[in-house]
Amino acid sequence: EPEVTQTPSHQVTQMGQEVILRCVPISNHLYFYWYRQILGQKVEFLVSFYNNEISEKSEIFDDQFSVERPDGSNFTLKIRSTKLEDSAMYFCARGDGGTGRNQPQHFGDGTRLSIL
Amino acid sequence: KQEVTQIPAALSVPEGENLVLNCSFTDSAIYNLQWFRQDPGKGLTSLLLIQSSQREQTSGRLNASLDKSSGRSTLYIAASQPGDSATYLCAAAHNNAGNMLTFGGGTRLMVKP
Repeated sequence: EPEVTQTPSHQVTQMGQEVILRCVPISNHLYFYWYRQILGQKVEFLVSFYNNEISEKSEIFDDQFSVERPDGSNFTLKIRSTKLEDSAMYFCARGDGGTGRNQPQHFGDGTRLSIL
Repeated sequence: KQEVTQIPAALSVPEGENLVLNCSFTDSAIYNLQWFRQDPGKGLTSLLLIQSSQREQTSGRLNASLDKSSGRSTLYIAASQPGDSATYLCAAAHNNAGNMLTFGGGTRLMVKP
């Protein structure tokens, strides 16, 4: 059973629409991450989130992307205006332990995002 | 920029064989190296994490080693079983505040009964 639960498991959206992907950790942790995997390619880092702030983001994570943890539980990734190239599997991960530094990252089963 | 490479890309072995999966990275300034297993259509399952100060970690039939100076890590699987069939990914954690992981392309392992 995954350490985090991601919803939905599959999202199909028209290009230009906004999508929100959700991640619910099993227990309280401070360190969270989003990664994506385009079909047939490597898993790529998007953003890390620590103590309700972005800790680091990659060049992929441009102004179209945002993350938040509005209610202290759900951790969301929003893509404002989706493009065809946003089609990928999106993984949420949490850091082990209180701070997550130098601890394993535990991944959810992912959300498959398909942009039409 | 960190680059992580895994060789071979695919491997097929008969059940019972011991095998070694290889991972190399270009920037030795890593915080740790983590090995994952990915089953088709599923997320990543953490197998082992080796901190930069460590040489190896063991969990059951799995043993991972790390040589930072040469930029290499290996995952040794003893007495392979058909249930070990999956894609194995290694990922290097950057030595900075974000703890981001840079992944290799994975080795797709098939263990035949």
